[in-house]
Amino acid sequence: NAGVTQTPKFRILKIGQSMTLQCAQDMNHNYMYWYRQDPGMGLKLIYYSVGAGITDKGEVPNGYNVSRSTTEYFPLRLELAAPSQTSVYFCASSYPSRGGNQPQHFGDGTRLSIL
Amino acid sequence: AQTVTQSQPEMSVQEAETVTLSCTYDTSESDYYLFWYKQPPSRQMILVIRQEAYKQQNATENRFSVNFQKAAKSFSLKISDSQLGDAAMYFCAYRLQGGSEKLVFGKGTKLTVNP
Repeated sequence: NAGVTQTPKFRILKIGQSMTLQCAQDMNHNYMYWYRQDPGMGLKLIYYSVGAGITDKGEVPNGYNVSRSTTEYFPLRLELAAPSQTSVYFCASSYPSRGGNQPQHFGDGTRLSIL
Repeated sequence: AQTVTQSQPEMSVQEAETVTLSCTYDTSESDYYLFWYKQPPSRQMILVIRQEAYKQQNATENRFSVNFQKAAKSFSLKISDSQLGDAAMYFCAYRLQGGSEKLVFGKGTKLTVNP
């Protein structure tokens, strides 16, 4: 059972370059999330999706884009990398709680450096 | 907006002793969930314990327990019989039921376990 898989694990980008962070989950979760974790800080929500074809902005969406064409995949796109986007990125997924308590499952993170 | 505050940037404990990590949160909602996540140097986000706001009974998971004070909006984590493997960053998180069900994180507490 793979859970939430993120690729790549590490990446160095030059300012202005673009890239896509990949996220896949095999648990058939409806909800998926992208968070970023800056040094010494907790995680902050970038974008989320409550199902295929439905996405919405989180707390820090500027400079990012997402798509969700299938339940399994939720890629995060950086169009013009900036040094402020240097961070560790986490993808997470869960079922909606609906009276239950469904925790979010996290991937292992992608460490991204913009130089 | 909901906020989560962890007032202890760092804590230390002797092996086999007990330590308590503090967390307070601010919300006007009545139906929510609270979590403690552990992040070791490997960077994984590992769920330690969860608490439903409607439950008065404090959650316990083996050596981990919480002291949930809803009126005071306090959610502390107690680790008993501390082990070297407990050394990590600990994040308190809040999740509102319904809507995006995003997690709102505190800034974390770094726990050191001394042999």
